[in-house]
Amino acid sequence: DIQMTQSPSSLSASVGDRVTITCRASQSISSYLNWYQQKPGKAPKLLIYAASSLQSGVPSRFSGSGSGTDFTLTISSLQPEDFATYYCQQSYSTPRITFGPGTKVDIK
Amino acid sequence: EVQLVESGGGLVQPGGSLRLSCAASGFTFSSYEMNWVRQAPGKGLEWVSYISSSGSTIYYADSVKGRFTISRDNAKNSLYLQMNSLRAEDTAVYYCARGIAVAVNWFDPWGQGTLVTVSS
Repeated sequence: DIQMTQSPSSLSASVGDRVTITCRASQSISSYLNWYQQKPGKAPKLLIYAASSLQSGVPSRFSGSGSGTDFTLTISSLQPEDFATYYCQQSYSTPRITFGPGTKVDIK
Repeated sequence: EVQLVESGGGLVQPGGSLRLSCAASGFTFSSYEMNWVRQAPGKGLEWVSYISSSGSTIYYADSVKGRFTISRDNAKNSLYLQMNSLRAEDTAVYYCARGIAVAVNWFDPWGQGTLVTVSS
């Protein structure tokens, strides 16, 4: 199985901050990497697919980059509604996809 | 509006059974792969099972293989998860999620989830 790790596991940031979350795969997954946002008590929501493509309706302050084993999700200017947990997901081994453990972003 | 609505969760004793349903609307259900993903309380996301658009191809996570059965009824726009021999570690919110397969695969949208609690 392909293992996914994320760092940091949590971070505290202020509104307006630039935030970067890293996701690493245990083997090369090309660009088969997606990012989801989950708020408490809600279902995950797709933000970025194929490593860097912004899902329709998602604000442009979110961006993704990377390929191979190392990926990043960047929020250019953190907004109050962005406080949530973020998960990366590899789909290289579809349908046996795996998720990262999540990164919780909370208010400083 | 594309929508997925799960139902069927609840409290069940260890060793018991439960059947989850996911009602789809707003899209051509029969054209899409579907998945179940679960999330234990306070934990991360775990993929559980996959079914192809026709229902002819099915996969399970090792943790549920032999105990859970995924199925679909395209005429009813519905996805199901039959869960048998339930264990405490199966306690989780269960989400159904539509699979999008365009070179890279992703899940969108997800249902709101249904809570399954396995406890005596």
